[in-house]
Amino acid sequence: DAGVTQSPTHLIKTRGQQVTLRCSPKSGHDTVSWYQQALGQGPQFIFQYYEEEERQRGNFPDRFSGHQFPNYSSELNVNALLLGDSALYLCASSLLNLWGQDNQETQYFGPGTRLLVL
Amino acid sequence: DAKTTQPPSMDCAEGRAANLPCNHSTISGNEYVYWYRQIHSQGPQYIIHGLKNNETNEMASLIITEDRKSSTLILPHATLRDTAVYYCIVSQMVTGGGNKLTFGTGTQLKVEL
Repeated sequence: DAGVTQSPTHLIKTRGQQVTLRCSPKSGHDTVSWYQQALGQGPQFIFQYYEEEERQRGNFPDRFSGHQFPNYSSELNVNALLLGDSALYLCASSLLNLWGQDNQETQYFGPGTRLLVL
Repeated sequence: DAKTTQPPSMDCAEGRAANLPCNHSTISGNEYVYWYRQIHSQGPQYIIHGLKNNETNEMASLIITEDRKSSTLILPHATLRDTAVYYCIVSQMVTGGGNKLTFGTGTQLKVEL
């Protein structure tokens, strides 16, 4: 059973550039969430995608955008990179729970992409 | 968002039980408590979650107080490989279904010989 995969593992960019990070969800999952983790901090929620639409968004500027494809994989795009965007970017997948009373969807994380902006 | 409070660090001897506390006094009736751990810049690993009953799986046990204002994660026989940052999270519902995770700074657990 394939887990969550992310690519690339590491990336170096310069200020002002644009970057695209990719995520393949765990087999059978249909929902993808993205998180940013700065050094020494806990992960911060960026947004979540389901049925190719952004379902919820955290407190991140419009420079951060995403996309979900029909096969449930997802991309995170960051434009006009700033030094402060240097972080570990984590993707998590889950399966939408429409029938359970609790509506809980356990999220499983990938290994992350380490982005360094110079 | 319901907030959680955890001690910044804890030590545990290998082979002993590790008991990690978490306070979540503002938790709502339909919010779950989740525990994840993160080993040195790897992706967070799901451990366990619960609503009000105690839960146990192959990794750990979760004890939730009757008033649900606090919980304890128990690793019954800690090993060196359990050294990690442990996050206690109250799961917030997302509009349209599902949930998002709001991480704090967690507890750094160090398991020593």
